[in-house]
Amino acid sequence: GAGVSQSPSNKVTEKGKDVELRCDPISGHTALYWYRQSLGQGLEFLIYFQGNSAPDKSGLPSDRFSAERTGGSVSTLTIQRTQQEDSAVYLCASSPSGKSGNEQFFGPGTRLTVL
Amino acid sequence: RKEVEQDPGPFNVPEGATVAFNCTYSNSASQSFFWYRQDCRKEPKLLMSVYSSGNEDGRFTAQLNRASQYISLLIRDSKLSDSATYLCVVSSGYSTLTFGKGTMLLVSP
Repeated sequence: GAGVSQSPSNKVTEKGKDVELRCDPISGHTALYWYRQSLGQGLEFLIYFQGNSAPDKSGLPSDRFSAERTGGSVSTLTIQRTQQEDSAVYLCASSPSGKSGNEQFFGPGTRLTVL
Repeated sequence: RKEVEQDPGPFNVPEGATVAFNCTYSNSASQSFFWYRQDCRKEPKLLMSVYSSGNEDGRFTAQLNRASQYISLLIRDSKLSDSATYLCVVSSGYSTLTFGKGTMLLVSP
């Protein structure tokens, strides 16, 4: 079946511009996560959605970052006024539920470059 | 102290060798443990979960020591296709996974 998809696969933008990254989770998965991976760094948790509950935003690095999940499915991560340090691969993952033992299935990521 | 620590490597081993990676975690309340594999410029994929009693999947064996808060992964009879970065992953509850930075393995002919 279809896995997690993300778009765009690559995004180059200028400092100060806003960007939107999209994630389509696996159908039926109620939990959705956003991470980012900078060069040579581990994955950094950003935000977590579980069903209709309020999202866990504890990982968002600044108020320039926001995310929403419409209809419990597709999610959009928005970065406003991008900075060079925002350059990273942004990974989305979904799992059947938010239980800690569940495998998370990752999308291929969006590689963001801020010039 | 970092939440999940791994030796970044790289570990360079010949085909057929046995190699072991260790990982330590700081949160004693951690509940679930995993090894993920990440190929270059690809997304992470689950290799195996790690259970308290230890578990094996083919050439791969994972061990968990809760008292010492470390996790290990043993790969026997290494294949060229095992070359990748191995991520130690810990979960403390319902929401997030905490990833180590990964250990790079290079298997050569």
